[in-house]
Amino acid sequence: AQKVTQAQTEISVVEKEDVTLDCVYETRDTTYYLFWYKQPPSGELVFLIRRNSFDEQNEISGRYSWNFQKSTSSFNFTITASQVVDSAVYFCALSTSYDKVIFGPGTSLSVIP
Amino acid sequence: EAQVTQNPRYLITVTGKKLTVTCSQNMNHEYMSWYRQDPGLGLRQIYYSMNVEVTDKGDVPEGYKVSRKEKRNFPLILESPSPNQTSLYFCASSFGLPGDTQYFGPGTRLTVL
Repeated sequence: AQKVTQAQTEISVVEKEDVTLDCVYETRDTTYYLFWYKQPPSGELVFLIRRNSFDEQNEISGRYSWNFQKSTSSFNFTITASQVVDSAVYFCALSTSYDKVIFGPGTSLSVIP
Repeated sequence: EAQVTQNPRYLITVTGKKLTVTCSQNMNHEYMSWYRQDPGLGLRQIYYSMNVEVTDKGDVPEGYKVSRKEKRNFPLILESPSPNQTSLYFCASSFGLPGDTQYFGPGTRLTVL
C-alpha cells in the first residue's frame, strides 16, 4: 500500500530561521514520483517540485531545497531564512500509478515576524 | 492563460438539495480528478477521469457523481448533499499520471446545513 506521512502537524518559527518539513513515504513500486505543494492562507494549491524515483539529486531553488533519500524513504523540504510569506500548509504527495496521487496530511508552517 | 477553473467558489446549501460544482481546464489535459480536503486528512481523491467518457472511483466516492462528456469539463455532482460533505473541494488536471504534475483549480468551499 502507498502512504505518505508528514509527522509534523504544525511548526512555528521566527522569521529568518531555517525550517525543515519532513515527508516519509511508503511504496513497493520502483518507479514513483514525489511532489511538494504549498497552500497559502488564500487556499489555492501551488506546485513546488516534482521528483522521480531515479533521481536522488538534491535540488535547490532560491531559499528552498529538497533532500530525497531513497534509503530512508524520505523527501524533506527545507526553507532557509524563512519569511512571513512562507506561512502556509505544505503537502507532500506520492504518485505511483496511472490513477491517483496520494497526499500526506500536510504541515502547517507559521513564520512569526 | 493556462488554468483550471471551478465554480462556484463558495456555496452554502441545505441537506438534500442537488448541486453541481463545475470544473474546466484549457490545457488539453486528458486526466482530471476531484479531491476533498478536510483538516488533518490532507487531500483525498473522490473520482478521476482518464479521458472522455472514462471515469472511476477514488478513495471516497460515496455520495458523489461525475461525468466527462467533453475533454475540458469534469463536473462534480452531489445528488443529495449531507452535512458530512461539508468540505473544501479541488479539481485538478494533468496530461497523465504518474509523472505529470497536476494543476489545481482555486477550490470550492461547500457548506451543507
